[in-house]
Amino acid sequence: NAGVMQNPRHLVRRRGQEARLRCSPVKGHSHVYWYRQLPEEGLKFMVYLQKENIIDESGMPKERFSAEFPKEGPSILRIQQVVRGDSAAYFCASSPQVSYNEQFFGPGTRLTVL
Amino acid sequence: AQSVTQLDSHVSVSEGTPVLLRCNYSSSYSPSLFWYVQHPNKGLQLLLKYTSAATLVKGINGFEAEFKKSETSFHLTKPSAHMSDAAEYFCVVSGDNAGGTSYGKLTFGQGTILTVHP
Repeated sequence: NAGVMQNPRHLVRRRGQEARLRCSPVKGHSHVYWYRQLPEEGLKFMVYLQKENIIDESGMPKERFSAEFPKEGPSILRIQQVVRGDSAAYFCASSPQVSYNEQFFGPGTRLTVL
Repeated sequence: AQSVTQLDSHVSVSEGTPVLLRCNYSSSYSPSLFWYVQHPNKGLQLLLKYTSAATLVKGINGFEAEFKKSETSFHLTKPSAHMSDAAEYFCVVSGDNAGGTSYGKLTFGQGTILTVHP
């Protein structure tokens, strides 16, 4: 009965490199959400996806960030040309349907940009 | 638009004494409210949730919260703190959109760090 899986758990990148964060939702869940937690702050919503569709990306920075949730495979949060300010914990959550409300969170990926 | 304010960034209690973590919310629609707990370097675990049923909600590990619409509050309490309760706690709101269909965007408070002294 696996929960939400995220990998890697820790990721170190140098400025200008690309970061790819992966999230496998709970089996049977078709809704995925990404949140970012900056140091000393609460979690901030980034994007909400269903299979092959972006439903709400109002929290995504306009540049360098993208997300996908393909028909097969995990959801991917991609950050191009990372900068030091991207250093944060990135959490993925999933739910079986949007009206269920409760979201199940993964352990997070801690990104450090040198 | 919805928002959450956690009134205390840090709360310190002695083991065996009551815990009170305060939360006020703002929402244009009927909200769903949650408390999540985050232990150091771990993910978030749901403690309890309110979804317009009983206003007093019981959660895991002896925690409970009371939804008070008149005060727009959803404070988290526990009668007797345990050392293992030391963690960061987040009050979270999820609201309905204008069409009345729930959508999944959660809005988090800034968090309250609970310290428990022996």
